[in-house]
Amino acid sequence: LAKTTQPISMDSYEGQEVNITCSHNNIATNDYITWYQQFPSQGPRFIIQGYKTKVTNEVASLFIPADRKSSTLSLPRVSLSDTAVYYCLVGDLGRDTGRRALTFGSGTRLQVQP
Amino acid sequence: NAGVTQTPKFQVLKTGQSMTLQCAQDMNHEYMSWYRQDPGMGLRLIHYSVGAGITDQGEVPNGYNVSRSTTEDFPLRLLSAAPSQTSVYFCASQRGTLNTEAFFGQGTRLTVV
Repeated sequence: LAKTTQPISMDSYEGQEVNITCSHNNIATNDYITWYQQFPSQGPRFIIQGYKTKVTNEVASLFIPADRKSSTLSLPRVSLSDTAVYYCLVGDLGRDTGRRALTFGSGTRLQVQP
Repeated sequence: NAGVTQTPKFQVLKTGQSMTLQCAQDMNHEYMSWYRQDPGMGLRLIHYSVGAGITDQGEVPNGYNVSRSTTEDFPLRLLSAAPSQTSVYFCASQRGTLNTEAFFGQGTRLTVV
């Protein structure tokens, strides 16, 4: 499973765009990149997943360069309620690979100030 | 749909006691797993199951047992509680492949004194 590196913490202000970058230099050909969000005292929540280029949903965008050795989660115009820990997961999580569960690192703690 | 339901939400045990943390999902998901999260840390995988009757160990399985007799339920048993098992426990479920979204329960906060 590809090792990931994320900043331990980030600070932002309401209304700003926040970009959290995850490094995964050893990403394999079949690996997907998935981001989860966790609020205090709650279980993680799926945000977005991608394989290459750009993926966008109602919550965030995920940018993946051509070499796929990093990825950037972009949160547009954050609010106080976006204060949470964000986890980047990388791996080939298909049925035939032997991997059967998610592996979480320590994540990035985002603090949004008023 | 209720999603993933964990009970109890809070529990205090004495060292040496045993107990079962319950996890149920109503989404007919094949994959279920248990994680523990210590303060300020990420989640660590305890045990997981790819279907009824099939379980396997994760990163930190010692001191815990699981079984999966039905698709819906995946209980976690603490055999003899130790203070080192004080943590928040999360149960998760997913459809057949792990590239799909994982749904987590609200967690069980366990304190062992």
